[in-house]
Amino acid sequence: SQTIHQWPATLVQPVGSPLSLECTVEGTSNPNLYWYRQAAGRGLQLLFYSVGIGQISSEVPQNLSASRPQDRQFILSSKKLLLSDSGFYLCAWSLTGGISGNTIYFGEGSWLTVV
Amino acid sequence: AQSVTQLDSHVSVSEGTPVLLRCNYSSSYSPSLFWYVQHPNKGLQLLLKYTSAATLVKGINGFEAEFKKSETSFHLTKPSAHMSDAAEYFCVVSRRGSTLGRLYFGRGTQLTVWP
Repeated sequence: SQTIHQWPATLVQPVGSPLSLECTVEGTSNPNLYWYRQAAGRGLQLLFYSVGIGQISSEVPQNLSASRPQDRQFILSSKKLLLSDSGFYLCAWSLTGGISGNTIYFGEGSWLTVV
Repeated sequence: AQSVTQLDSHVSVSEGTPVLLRCNYSSSYSPSLFWYVQHPNKGLQLLLKYTSAATLVKGINGFEAEFKKSETSFHLTKPSAHMSDAAEYFCVVSRRGSTLGRLYFGRGTQLTVWP
């Protein structure tokens, strides 16, 4: 069966410091990968998605970047964090081809607090 | 264009009474529809999904939802609430058959269950 791992679970970082959140998927190959952000009291916002190694699409302009160095690894980064980057970040994956009805499966999330 | 409206931001019920969480969608294409549940500080878990088969969909934990095309609705129900059902629930729409699982989230409904 497929599993998704995301870490760290919680992170407190000062303004201006770098960020690296990592996500790996097991039990499948060539998944679509996603990073979402959930700000307090708001819905989920799609930040990045990737359909293959090295292929990253950004949904919104922001202070963050994403990379996919391996088929099942997705990394969310920032060179200098802003206070507004605080939130709950969720990594997710789906099968390609839409056969599954585009079901997306989420990791456990990472709480980022920028202070 | 696709969008989702969850009609209630908060729903409170007593344990053992029925649950109704309302969702209306708008889609220019044949939609896939999902309900996800999120417990505090956790990722999103898939409750159920509608792709193109039976309009009454049964999910985990006794939840079900009915796809009504004429009403553009996909309400989530459960006959008898349990304390463990207290969580936030998200209604989600995507374009059926799309190779990229682009999801459009509602803003969520917080379900409170009183003893």
